[in-house]
Amino acid sequence: ETGVTQSPTHLIKTRGQQVTLRCSSQSGHNTVSWYQQALGQGPQFIFQYYREEENGRGNFPPRFSGLQFPNYSSELNVNALELDDSALYLCASSNPYSGGQETQYFGPGTRLLVL
Amino acid sequence: RKEVEQDPGPFNVPEGATVAFNCTYSNSASQSFFWYRQDCRKEPKLLMSVYSSGNEDGRFTAQLNRASQYISLLIRDSKLSDSATYLCVVSTNTGNQFYFGTGTSLTVIP
Repeated sequence: ETGVTQSPTHLIKTRGQQVTLRCSSQSGHNTVSWYQQALGQGPQFIFQYYREEENGRGNFPPRFSGLQFPNYSSELNVNALELDDSALYLCASSNPYSGGQETQYFGPGTRLLVL
Repeated sequence: RKEVEQDPGPFNVPEGATVAFNCTYSNSASQSFFWYRQDCRKEPKLLMSVYSSGNEDGRFTAQLNRASQYISLLIRDSKLSDSATYLCVVSTNTGNQFYFGTGTSLTVIP
């Protein structure tokens, strides 16, 4: 087990709704990254948070937004849901200043289905 | 052009076989390289980091060729439990974005 937890595990929403996904990072990790994994694809980087600030963003529209809290847990918010947002959303925690290559440890993910 | 390209397979091999996966990356500034394993409907888990000198962990050997921007993973003496999708991952020197390949599917057959 990586110690990274995510909630909820599964979620069903309809088009146009909003959703909030949550992630608790591994103890000692101050960085959280979010990924979207569509069926049959590799994870795609959404954004990363380091010390409560966005620290890099992938090619996702502004309706994907996030937060990181002082305890390093994080939220991913998606507004105006579209059918193509149906995917596995993965959170990964890391400590980029732990020395050596930075390794990201993934939570179990949240499966989102948009109808 | 995709940042990371992998042959999606599927690779179906008998137990005990040796199988090799390849991956290419497009950003010559990439600094960190990994192989992750993902079981069906589970999260990716780190299999091994890949170092310039190449590295081995039991039956698994990873190689990096910076000149050709190419990474490989060799699995010897395949076990049924090796059946999974293997993801090639590349990160820039800032380390704040991991680029994943689409994954290569491996099924080890009894």
